[in-house]
Amino acid sequence: GDSVTQMEGPVTLSEEAFLTINCTYTATGYPSLFWYVQYPGEGLQLLLKATKADDKGSNKGFEATYRKETTSFHLEKGSVQVSDSAVYFCALRTNAGKSTFGDGTTLTVKP
Amino acid sequence: DTAVSQTPKYLVTQMGNDKSIKCEQNLGHDTMYWYKQDSKKFLKIMFSYNNKELIINETVPNRFSPKSPDKAHLNLHINSLELGDSAVYFCASSRGEEGYTFGSGTRLTVV
Repeated sequence: GDSVTQMEGPVTLSEEAFLTINCTYTATGYPSLFWYVQYPGEGLQLLLKATKADDKGSNKGFEATYRKETTSFHLEKGSVQVSDSAVYFCALRTNAGKSTFGDGTTLTVKP
Repeated sequence: DTAVSQTPKYLVTQMGNDKSIKCEQNLGHDTMYWYKQDSKKFLKIMFSYNNKELIINETVPNRFSPKSPDKAHLNLHINSLELGDSAVYFCASSRGEEGYTFGSGTRLTVV
C-alpha cells in the first residue's frame, strides 16, 4: 500500500540555521505531494504542494521538489526562525483521492 | 470567516457517555473527513464523505458514527466513550486534487 516515511524527530536548530526534513514515499502511479505544518494547539495548515515530477512547491521561505527518481519530497528552508517551531507532516494523495500522512516531525528553533 | 469550523473545541466527559462533534465548512468543498490525532501526533483517517456519501470507512469501532446532512456538514457521534478515545479529532475538507483544509480540532478527554 501507499506509505510516507519522514525523518524522525525531534529536530532542534538554532535561529538562522538551515533546515532539511526528509520525506520519502511509496505509491502506485503519480501521486501529488504535500507538506503541512501544525503550530501548537492548532490544526494542520497546507504549507506547499507539488503535483508532478520536478515541480517545486514553495511558501514562506520553505521549498520542496518532487523527485520521482528518488521518490522523495524533502522540505528545506535556508534560515529558520523561532516562529517556525511546529510539527511538519509530509503527505501524498493518489489519483484515486486517497491521502496518506507521514508521522510528523517536530521542529524546535531556539533563539 | 472560519473555513472549517468544529465545535466544541474542548470536550471532557465520563466513560460510557455519548457525545457528538460538529463540523461545518464554507469553502464549497465536496469531500469532508474525520481524522484522529493521538498524543504522539500520529494522524489516522477515520471517515471520508463525498457529497454526503461515505467513501472511506477505516477500521474504527462501530461506536463511532459519522453523519453528513449536507455536503457542508459532517458530524461525528461517539457512543459509550472509552478512555482510549481520548485524542484530538480533526475535521477537514477538500476539492479535487487540492490539499486539505483542516479545522482547529476538538480535544476529547474521557475520564
